[in-house]
Amino acid sequence: QSALTQPRSVSGSPGQSVTISCTGTSSDVGAYTYVSWYQQHPGKAPKLIIYDVSKRPSAAVPERFSGSKSGNTASLTISGLQAEDEADYYCCSYAGSYTSLFGGGTKVTVL
Amino acid sequence: QLQLQESGPGLVKPSETLSLTCTVSGGSMSSSSFYWGWIRQSPGKGLEWIGNMYYSGSTYYNPSLKSRVTISGDASKTQLSLKLSSVTAADTAVYYCARAQGYLYGVRMRWGAFDVWGPGTMVTVSS
Repeated sequence: QSALTQPRSVSGSPGQSVTISCTGTSSDVGAYTYVSWYQQHPGKAPKLIIYDVSKRPSAAVPERFSGSKSGNTASLTISGLQAEDEADYYCCSYAGSYTSLFGGGTKVTVL
Repeated sequence: QLQLQESGPGLVKPSETLSLTCTVSGGSMSSSSFYWGWIRQSPGKGLEWIGNMYYSGSTYYNPSLKSRVTISGDASKTQLSLKLSSVTAADTAVYYCARAQGYLYGVRMRWGAFDVWGPGTMVTVSS
């Protein structure tokens, strides 16, 4: 199993939108709706921000975070980028045969 | 409110066995709706799923670590343990325990997102 593929970094100015892709295969991302996204600030544990491709776990996760999937690629979009969104983001997918796969992570920089 | 807390030695010698415990508070591991897992993160690197345990005690492991990993739970359903044998410097990482949402997929259970995480514990493998 190889890690899901994410861009190493993306950047945007405050107020702009950025999209992070997460590419897998027809055996993981393409096969299941169990794609999730995590935000991780330095020195902190990951925090779930999107589950089941596009659902936000609670009202505590701002609506500017949204998820989608097309074929073998899932995406996380941050609309109206804010300074506190600067962090690392990881995707994760159920990968069949009772396994999970994470992406390599994407560093989001707010310019 | 469910909380998870990892604990264990911060330093392990090469070739020895790494042993960690995750204590569950504000709940237990007795619900059929969840799995309980371990995930690690090497310094400056990404997340790596190690394995999960279902409330029944069934375990599932990352194929790349399967020969060295054992995950188990205690009788009180409030502690999850991880044992990783024959460690090397490559096993140096922050180790997290986390709860995963369970789903009925056809007639079988699967898991989805990891919705509750512990703060993590750093383990260094060095002589």
